[in-house]
Amino acid sequence: QKEVEQNSGPLSVPEGAIASLNCTYSDRGSQSFFWYRQYSGKSPELIMSIYSNGDKEDGRFTAQLNKASQYVSLLIRDSQPSDSATYLCAVERNTPLVFGKGTRLSVIA
Amino acid sequence: GAVVSQHPSRVICKSGTSVKIECRSLDFQATTMFWYRQFPKQSLMLMATSNEGSKATYEQGVEKDKFLINHASLTLSTLTVTSAHPEDSSFYICSARLGLGPGELFFGEGSRLTVL
Repeated sequence: QKEVEQNSGPLSVPEGAIASLNCTYSDRGSQSFFWYRQYSGKSPELIMSIYSNGDKEDGRFTAQLNKASQYVSLLIRDSQPSDSATYLCAVERNTPLVFGKGTRLSVIA
Repeated sequence: GAVVSQHPSRVICKSGTSVKIECRSLDFQATTMFWYRQFPKQSLMLMATSNEGSKATYEQGVEKDKFLINHASLTLSTLTVTSAHPEDSSFYICSARLGLGPGELFFGEGSRLTVL
């Protein structure tokens, strides 16, 4: 059974700190991994995609993938109040994306 | 990124009526579109995969006669909730991706359905 697990939070971090969001998945054959941000009442927007082991950096965001441990994470540096949202981890093998329930991040000014 | 537009953004209807939601890919052709549903504080759950020119593929537990999907062109897919009931109240989101292979999904703005 495909599952994507995330801590629901809320994760509270002070402004300027690093926020670390984690995700584990059960389908070892998964090949594509995505992080989406969803503001309340809005649809998800893509933050990062990662396909191979290691780190991928884009501005203040860094995605980390460890396929052996079936683990993917998202780091947000210099967190801002505008980063406060729910972050959804999504995983794909050969079928449409499977989403985790999301982690709610709250950045405190 | 690619733009996916969804309409209406909000709809309120009476129990027993039908509601149609449109999903358009604005700057690309989408052979396949995906319809998700999200209840409050829950994750996105895939309802069905909409295929241009053929029947949609529904996920287990989703009634195909209740949630009618039509994908008549490469830029438009519609979801019709027939005989809507209060338990159908949810946030419906369509999505599409560039190309035919796996990859990131681009989402429409979502449609919040409230059935009275």
